[in-house]
Amino acid sequence: QVNLLQSRAALVKPGASVKLSCKASGYTFTDYYIHWVKQSHGKSLEWIGYINPNSGYTNYNEKFKSKATLTVDKSTNTAYMELSRLTSEDSATYYCTRRRGPFFDYWGQGVMVTVSS
Amino acid sequence: EIVLTQSPTTMAASPGEKVTLTCRASSSVSYMHWYQQRSGASPKLWIYETSKLASGVPNRFSGSGSGTSYSLTINSMETEDAATYYCQQGSSYPPTFGAGTKLELK
Repeated sequence: QVNLLQSRAALVKPGASVKLSCKASGYTFTDYYIHWVKQSHGKSLEWIGYINPNSGYTNYNEKFKSKATLTVDKSTNTAYMELSRLTSEDSATYYCTRRRGPFFDYWGQGVMVTVSS
Repeated sequence: EIVLTQSPTTMAASPGEKVTLTCRASSSVSYMHWYQQRSGASPKLWIYETSKLASGVPNRFSGSGSGTSYSLTINSMETEDAATYYCQQGSSYPPTFGAGTKLELK
């Protein structure tokens, strides 16, 4: 069965960076784009961007272009998102999700990032 | 970007009650998709392409709509349906989500 396993929660200092991982299993990794979504506490869902695991092509929400960098490692079926220059506004739960057509059919369990000194 | 407005923001329903959640788009979209999110869990695809139930979704749920107006209906509310429901459009980039409707059990 399809599974997206995300890395553990992270506590990071303001100004630092963090790299989140999303390991896919149960399907052919290169057949589906991986997207990332932010959910601030108690709030709705914001689309960050996606990566094509086959080509490495990325597309970002303008709002996150200078914040997030998406990469993949095809050898381990893992997608990564690095968030840089962290502030309290970046404290949130981040999800990786697989896109099928115009919707997202499988989601990771989410990883909570807390930015605090 | 297309803005999705969900209503109501919060509602409570009794077991057996019929429930309708709505989602309005700022521009016409081809389809609407819905996700259920229980407290502390990740979102789950619930209804896709406006009216198709995702795997495992009970048939008391249905979806309908077109253009800028869409809805999710629960024919007869059950305890397990208490959750937050988000609509999402994928017709144009960036994909966007509504603010959610929190459905509680009365």
